[in-house]
Amino acid sequence: NAGVTQTPKFRVLKTGQSMTLLCAQDMNHEYMYWYRQDPGMGLRLIHYSVGEGTTAKGEVPDGYNVSRLKKQNFLLGLESAAPSQTSVYFCASSYSTPHEQFFGPGTRLTVL
Amino acid sequence: GEDVEQSLFLSVREGDSSVINCTYTDSSSTYLYWYKQEPGAGLQLLTYIFSNMDMKQDQRLTVLLNKKDKHLSLRIADTQTGDSAIYFCAESPEYGGSQGNLIFGKGTKLSVKP
Repeated sequence: NAGVTQTPKFRVLKTGQSMTLLCAQDMNHEYMYWYRQDPGMGLRLIHYSVGEGTTAKGEVPDGYNVSRLKKQNFLLGLESAAPSQTSVYFCASSYSTPHEQFFGPGTRLTVL
Repeated sequence: GEDVEQSLFLSVREGDSSVINCTYTDSSSTYLYWYKQEPGAGLQLLTYIFSNMDMKQDQRLTVLLNKKDKHLSLRIADTQTGDSAIYFCAESPEYGGSQGNLIFGKGTKLSVKP
């Protein structure tokens, strides 16, 4: 039982490049979330999903897209990376609201 | 809108008690949470309290909830160096269309000196 996994763990991009962050959970959770963590800002919700095939915007969705084609996977895409997207990205999942959210180990992204 | 406030830093000596405080704004939050983040890792749930409770104790951890003042605290008894981490307070707001997302504070960095 791996819990919540994220790939990659680290990535460096140049401005304008694109990439996809993958989150996978093996707990059969309905809800999945993408957060970003910046120094002094805490965690801010980017997008979330309440089930397979559904996605919704969170607090800071601009510049990101997401997809939830399979229940166990939640993808976060950056179409044209900007330095302001340099951050640590965390994926989380939960069985239902307002149950405990389980977090992945994070992806550290640097955009030059 | 929802907002969760907590102080950014706390320093204690090993063996002392630590008290981390948090205030929140959404009085309809049904659960309030404390998460712990160790360096380079994701967040782990430490404990939570249901909004109709005043106190919850779990080994060295004591959570106090003052719903009238919207104040939550986490007390760690006999603090150890392994408790050094960032502690996040979070609320689960209940508003129209709530989808289970949590509102996090900015985190309190606890430093434990030997």
